[in-house]
Formats: sequence, C-alpha cells, structure tokens
Amino acid sequence: DSGVTQTPKHLITATGQRVTLRCSPRSGDLSVYWYQQSLDQGLQFLIQYYNGEERAKGNILERFSAQQFPDLHSELNLSSLELGDSALYFCASSSYTDTQYFGPGTRLTVL
Amino acid sequence: GEDVEQSLFLSVREGDSSVINCTYTDSSSTYLYWYKQEPGAGLQLLTYIFSNMDMKQDQRLTVLLNKKDKHLSLRIADTQTGDSAIYFCAERAPGGYQKVTFGTGTKLQVIP
Repeated sequence: DSGVTQTPKHLITATGQRVTLRCSPRSGDLSVYWYQQSLDQGLQFLIQYYNGEERAKGNILERFSAQQFPDLHSELNLSSLELGDSALYFCASSSYTDTQYFGPGTRLTVL
Repeated sequence: GEDVEQSLFLSVREGDSSVINCTYTDSSSTYLYWYKQEPGAGLQLLTYIFSNMDMKQDQRLTVLLNKKDKHLSLRIADTQTGDSAIYFCAERAPGGYQKVTFGTGTKLQVIP
C-alpha cells in the first residue's frame, strides 16, 4: 500500500459526459501528479500540482482540468468524454525531493 | 527532449535471471527508477539509483547504470512467477520541480 488513495476504482459513463476523479496523496506529500495509461499510448504524464499550484503540464487535453485543494487532495475533471478517453488514470504523490508513489488507479470506461 | 525506451516483452523460465534494459537520452538525469506494475494495479516503486552510482543491489534486484551509454538495467535473480508484471524505467530531470519521464514498459513473463 503506497498511501495514495484514489476514488472511484471504476467508472463507466457515456460519451459527452463529465466525470471527476479524486486523489488523496500520502501524508505530508505536497506534490500530486496525474497520469493516463491506455493500451496504445503507454503511461502519459498529464499534470503536476505542488502545494495547490500547477507546477508542470504534460499531454493534457483542453477538455481535462485538475486542481489541488488546501487539504492537498486533488481532482481531475474530464469533460465532453470520448471513447478514446477510456483508460486507467493514476495519481502519484511525492515530497519535494522524493520519488513518486502511485495510487491504485481509476479505470474509466466511456461507452 | 527526454525519451526513455524499453523492449516490450521478455520471457524467462522460473529460477533463471531476468535482465530488463532501458535507454534514456537526458544525460542530466539525476535519478533513475524502476517500477513494477502487476495486472490491474498501480505502479509500485521497486528501486532507484542516483546518477553518480554505477550499481545498486537490493536483495534479488541489481540495478546497473552506464552513464556513458545512457543505459540502465534491472536484473532479477532467481525469477519467480510472482515477478510476472510490467516493469517501467523512468528518469528524473534536474530542476526545482520533479519531471519524470517513463519508459514504455517491459512485460516480463515467467514460465513455470
């Protein structure tokens, strides 16, 4: 158990809908990262937050957004969902100089 | 830019050693990592090596780093069926924030 929690574990929705994925980092970690893992694209870095502020951006679509709240949990919002958004979404957390620890992931299925 | 490459698949017999290879392009990488992903699970940090080290050993795992060739390897001794998983290498760029680039992952199949 890495100490990073993600909810929900599974999510099934329809095209055009909007969903919110939630992540709670390890106690004391200020950084939160979001990744998308699909079969054909591998593990893609989406975005990083550090202590509530966006720190780095990867291959994140404009339809996707994230935020980190004062209690350091983070949410990833996915809107206008398409079939191709079906994937595993991982959250990871780290302290400033430490390595990333991953949560168990949320499996999103868009029908 | 950063690019991390791995072979896609490796098959070994139980009890043999496995060697998973990785090449990276960013010579300024500070840390290099190995993660393990079992089916349906998240990535689990296995081990990491600082860029000024050549080798790190941790029980059955040995990490070798060749900075000149930008080559990283993970050797698993006495491979067990429970080692079957996808193994990702990753490199961390220097800077005021962490920027980690993951490889494509190598699927290790252990044959009983």
